[in-house]
Amino acid sequence: EAGVTQFPSHSVIEKGQTVTLRCDPISGHDNLYWYRRVMGKEIKFLLHFVKESKQDESGMPNNRFLAERTGGTYSTLKVQPAELEDSGVYFCASSQSLTTKQFFGPGTRLTVL
Amino acid sequence: DAKTTQPTSMDCAEGRAANLPCNHSTISGNEYVYWYRQIHSQGPQYIIHGLKNNETNEMASLIITEDRKSSTLILPHATLRDTAVYYCIVRPNNNDMRFGAGTRLTVKP
Repeated sequence: EAGVTQFPSHSVIEKGQTVTLRCDPISGHDNLYWYRRVMGKEIKFLLHFVKESKQDESGMPNNRFLAERTGGTYSTLKVQPAELEDSGVYFCASSQSLTTKQFFGPGTRLTVL
Repeated sequence: DAKTTQPTSMDCAEGRAANLPCNHSTISGNEYVYWYRQIHSQGPQYIIHGLKNNETNEMASLIITEDRKSSTLILPHATLRDTAVYYCIVRPNNNDMRFGAGTRLTVKP
């Protein structure tokens, strides 16, 4: 069974540009989560989807970040416009239900210059 | 959410048991103890979780004290590939993961 996949693995962009990260959860997993780790800091929760609905987006840093999960399958996280402090590793995770363990993807390393 | 306290770093000799402690004195009755690890720059990897009983799987054992205020993750025979940052997370059964700083375990030959 394929695990959680993320694309791209690395992205280098300039300040002010737009970047879209993609996450494909494990097939059949209704719950999808986004996390990120910025340099030197802990992994922080961003938001949680149940199917196509945002269940909790309390961790989204500001309105430059937009997450979508149309159709309840894969999800995208768009950063527009990107700032230097957005650099870090963005992880996606999925779980079958709210009470089961989360499986994490390999992450996307974003560098904003 | 309950906060966890873990040592910043630990060393373990290859082939020996690695015992990683975690304090979670403010844990409440519906909160589970989860352990994840992150090897180098990979995504966090699930290890084990429990509520109040001790748990064992193919990767590790989890020992939770009777008052549930602390737990220990045991890797029975540590290998060099177990070198990673280990996270102890206290999680209500319907909530996301709140990672702390974790314990950096170094397995030495």
